[in-house]
Amino acid sequence: EVELLESGGGLVQPGGSLRLSCAASGFTFSNNVMTWVRQAPGKGLEWVSSISDSGDSTFYTASVKGRFTISRDNSKSTLYLQMNSLRVDDTAVYYCVKGGLLTTGLDYWGQGTLVTVST
Amino acid sequence: QSVLTQPPSVSAAPGQKVTISCSGSSANIGNNYVSWYQQLPGTAPKLLIYENDKRPSGIPDRFSGSKSATSATLGITGLQTGDEADYYCGASDRSLSAGVFGGGTKLTVL
Repeated sequence: EVELLESGGGLVQPGGSLRLSCAASGFTFSNNVMTWVRQAPGKGLEWVSSISDSGDSTFYTASVKGRFTISRDNSKSTLYLQMNSLRVDDTAVYYCVKGGLLTTGLDYWGQGTLVTVST
Repeated sequence: QSVLTQPPSVSAAPGQKVTISCSGSSANIGNNYVSWYQQLPGTAPKLLIYENDKRPSGIPDRFSGSKSATSATLGITGLQTGDEADYYCGASDRSLSAGVFGGGTKLTVL
């Protein structure tokens, strides 16, 4: 059974940093594109970032480029999202997702971790 | 404003059929696969349709997907109250080098 368990969310002040982690199990992590999707309170889904199976290629939505960094450790089956210079509008539930929109879709989702950026 | 355009809401009676549209451009839907997601209240989204018209195992054939040019459509037949949810389309956008979603459509089963 595929499981994706996010951690690292919480309350942070504007300008601060957080690192999200996603522990994956139940599939061959190193063979799959991985993605972060976020959802602000009461709003729709927003694609944030994807990373290739090897980690060599990364992609970001424009609003987080230069502030967020996606990475992975295939030896630990873990996905990361380093978030710097956080803004109030980064407040959202962040989902770790197996797959990518370019190919077979986002086929398994974690339960999400809430990031709140506020004073 | 989302790159992909969906109607904010649709409604239909139990047992009826409903369609949800998703409009894009040649940069996204026109040259890439479309996928569809169902988000029940208070839960994480779930993949309903991938590669325009394929259903993952476990998704009933009441759900269908199609694509024509720069638009895609999700169809749901035999509506049930349990289908009340938000539905999102998604695709990759070659101009943005990024993924994009529609704004979401709230389905009400009257």
